[in-house]
Order: sequence, then C-alpha cells, then structure tokens
Amino acid sequence: EAAVTQSPRNKVAVTGGKVTLSCNQTNNHNNMYWYRQDTGHGLRLIHYSYGAGSTEKGDIPDGYKASRPSQENFSLILELATPSQTSVYFCASGDPGQGKDTEVFFGKGTRLTVV
Amino acid sequence: GDSVTQTEGLVTLTEGLPVMLNCTYQTIYSNPFLFWYVQHLNESPRLLLKSFTDNKRTEHQGFHATLHKSSSSFHLQKSSAQLSDSALYYCALSAIMGYKLTFGTGTSLLVDP
Repeated sequence: EAAVTQSPRNKVAVTGGKVTLSCNQTNNHNNMYWYRQDTGHGLRLIHYSYGAGSTEKGDIPDGYKASRPSQENFSLILELATPSQTSVYFCASGDPGQGKDTEVFFGKGTRLTVV
Repeated sequence: GDSVTQTEGLVTLTEGLPVMLNCTYQTIYSNPFLFWYVQHLNESPRLLLKSFTDNKRTEHQGFHATLHKSSSSFHLQKSSAQLSDSALYYCALSAIMGYKLTFGTGTSLLVDP
C-alpha cells in the first residue's frame, strides 16, 4: 500500500527560527510535492521534485526551500519562519509517465504554528 | 496558468437529498486529467474520482461526475446524501496521472440528519 510519512505531525516555531518538515515515501515514486492548505485558498503547491537532487518551484515558493537528497525523502525548509506560514502542510508523491495510472498519494499532514 | 474554480465554499443539505458540487477549470493542456479529492476531518485528501475522457461518466462510492470539455466543467453529483459524506471536497486538474495537481479552493459539504 502506498505510504507517505510526514514528521513532525505538529510543530510550534518562533518567528525568525528555522523549521524543517520531513517527508518519506515508500512508493518508489519519482515525483514528490509539498502543498500548504489554508481555508479559502485550498491546497497550493510550494515546491516539487522529479527525483533525487531535483527541486522545482511551485506556485507559492517564496519563503520556502526544498531538498530531495534521495528518492524516498523530500524536505521543506523555512529558513526564517513567519506567522504567515502558519498552516497545514501536506507532502505527496506520484509517478507520472506514459502508460502509468498512478494517483498522487498524500501524507497525513503537518500542522505548523509560527508564534 | 491553470486554474480550478469551485464556486461554493459551503454546501449544507439534509440527508437523502441530492448533491451537486460545481467545478470549472482553465488549462493549457488539451487533454487534462480532472479529479475529485475528498478530505474528512483531520485526515489527508484522498482520490474519489478521476477522468480524462470527454463526455464519459465516471462513478465511485455512489458519486459520479462527467468531464465536459466544451464547458470546461467536472461537477460532482450524488443522488442521495449520507451523513458520512460530510467532508471537504476538492476539484483538481493535472496534465497526466501522478503529476502535480492544481486544486480549487474546496467545498465543504455538511449533511444534516
């Protein structure tokens, strides 16, 4: 069964501090994604990756960095956290390609509060 | 760029009544994939329906939707709402299966007894 695991599940950070959100997938999917979820905005793409060593900017990348050190792991980094980054963050994985019919699977989410 | 519009933020209805959640989209892709994701409280979004075939009805778990490219629409319907259908529903599109998704703002469905 497809599995995407996020850690931590909850995090309280101080303004100006560094925050790292981690994601691990055991699906052997090439692509991984970071979304944030906010009422009135839905799910918005922050960064994504095509594979180890690759990171791409999504629709709202400002204030975030991403790292994909391996096929399995994809991190989201907030170098200087701000209260506006308080949100629920979802990691997801998918495996696009001709002939493939693999859906995008989501992790359980990380609730981040920046105070 | 791509966009998905869900006009209703909240839909409240009584158990047993029909459900219709609206979704329209704009995209650069000539053959986009359209999806409905459902998210129950404190859970992650999970795929409910998908389609890329024009004018073909797709069904799952009592819900159905038909992709109409002529009107760029993919509305979600169910003939009779159940209490357990209360959840947040997202319409989304993508170029291909497994690729990055563009989501609408979501519609909260609340079914009352």
